[in-house]
Amino acid sequence: GAGVSQSPSNKVTEKGKDVELRCDPISGHTALYWYRQSLGQGLEFLIYFQGNSAPDKSGLPSDRFSAERTGGSVSTLTIQRTQQEDSAVYLCASSLVGPPSDYNEQFFGPGTRLTVL
Amino acid sequence: GIQVEQSPPDLILQEGANSTLRCNFSDSVNNLQWFHQNPWGQLINLFYIPSGTKQNGRLSATTVATERYSLLYISSSQTTDSGVYFCAVSPGDMRFGAGTRLTVKP
Repeated sequence: GAGVSQSPSNKVTEKGKDVELRCDPISGHTALYWYRQSLGQGLEFLIYFQGNSAPDKSGLPSDRFSAERTGGSVSTLTIQRTQQEDSAVYLCASSLVGPPSDYNEQFFGPGTRLTVL
Repeated sequence: GIQVEQSPPDLILQEGANSTLRCNFSDSVNNLQWFHQNPWGQLINLFYIPSGTKQNGRLSATTVATERYSLLYISSSQTTDSGVYFCAVSPGDMRFGAGTRLTVKP
């Protein structure tokens, strides 16, 4: 597609349920990133995929969070046993190449707004 | 990890005014981007500018990598410029500043 797409755009769930968020990067982009933005805050890095390399999971806040990227394209972020503090907008980005390349301009999707009741 | 500080945190302008937003960062970077987050939450790429100066219409940006800062200039501001402006840097994953919230009044 022309840009990064994410689904669903909004997700309301009950505390304790699992949720899956999907990201479809720009075609041909090898690097994919997940971020979280809590209300009125900046963006917090979660996880980064580069090609077929092992992902950089250093930003995941707990072991309830996991992500996978199938076939080097679409990615799914899974949050198990959701908590109210997980409520946020989850943003996905992709770049043509990833770090440590000198050129890795990131392009963002519209985000998924997650509300945990 | 690398620290990113943006100033000012809030800025209110009258339409037509000019402004300068600043981004300071604590370590060497090979990627610096400026984004505008519109009222619907979409992050719009403004500049990819790890060094040097770029201009795009009423907006321009300058990064002085050796002194670890970047500036975003907005000239002849319009109400549609309102929103939050983020600076983000990386040698690896992207680290974002807290943003500057710009309000342009008609």
